[in-house]
Amino acid sequence: QKEVEQNSGPLSVPEGAIASLNCTYSDRGSQSFFWYRQYSGKSPELIMFIYSNGDKEDGRFTAQLNKASQYVSLLIRDSQPSDSATYLCAGTTQGGSEKLVFGKGTKLTVNP
Amino acid sequence: EAGVAQSPRYKIIEKRQSVAFWCNPISGHATLYWYQQILGQGPKLLIQFQNNGVVDDSQLPKDRFSAERLKGVDSTLKIQPAKLEDSAVYLCASSSRFSSGEETQYFGPGTRLLVL
Repeated sequence: QKEVEQNSGPLSVPEGAIASLNCTYSDRGSQSFFWYRQYSGKSPELIMFIYSNGDKEDGRFTAQLNKASQYVSLLIRDSQPSDSATYLCAGTTQGGSEKLVFGKGTKLTVNP
Repeated sequence: EAGVAQSPRYKIIEKRQSVAFWCNPISGHATLYWYQQILGQGPKLLIQFQNNGVVDDSQLPKDRFSAERLKGVDSTLKIQPAKLEDSAVYLCASSSRFSSGEETQYFGPGTRLLVL
């Protein structure tokens, strides 16, 4: 069973701090990883994807991938109350069918 | 660009009744997905279409769930008969491929189903 594991939280950080969200995966064949943000009662919204080892930055967001450790993370700098949401990590399955396996999500609260 | 459209947005039915959901993907997206998201869980793939063909339906409970995408555009997902444990949000997504080669999924607003 291919799995993506996330700490369900909740994770609480003060406004302006760095929020660090982590994810591990079991399928060594997974090639690409995606971070989605999901506000309560809304559908998932893509934030970033990463497929190469290392860091990828987009504005206040940085995704990090370490395939040797099977570890993916998302850093949110200068966290804002509007960042409060559940963050879903997803990885593709081996074979290139583009099937995504999602973690359960980490609930982030940014306190003003 | 219009997003993924789904209807209805909410549905309440009694167990053993049937229900159908509709999805219209983003124009030009060949791949369409149906997910089930139970409260507190991540989305779970039910079925994946490439144009009008099924790519993956390994997690679709075929004794009660069915889906079709006859003309390779919009799709319907049906549950018959519904069980209490089918209460969930049913998300439709469609995907496109970035110039880098990565396929990225975009989600519709979902249909919230409550089975009583």
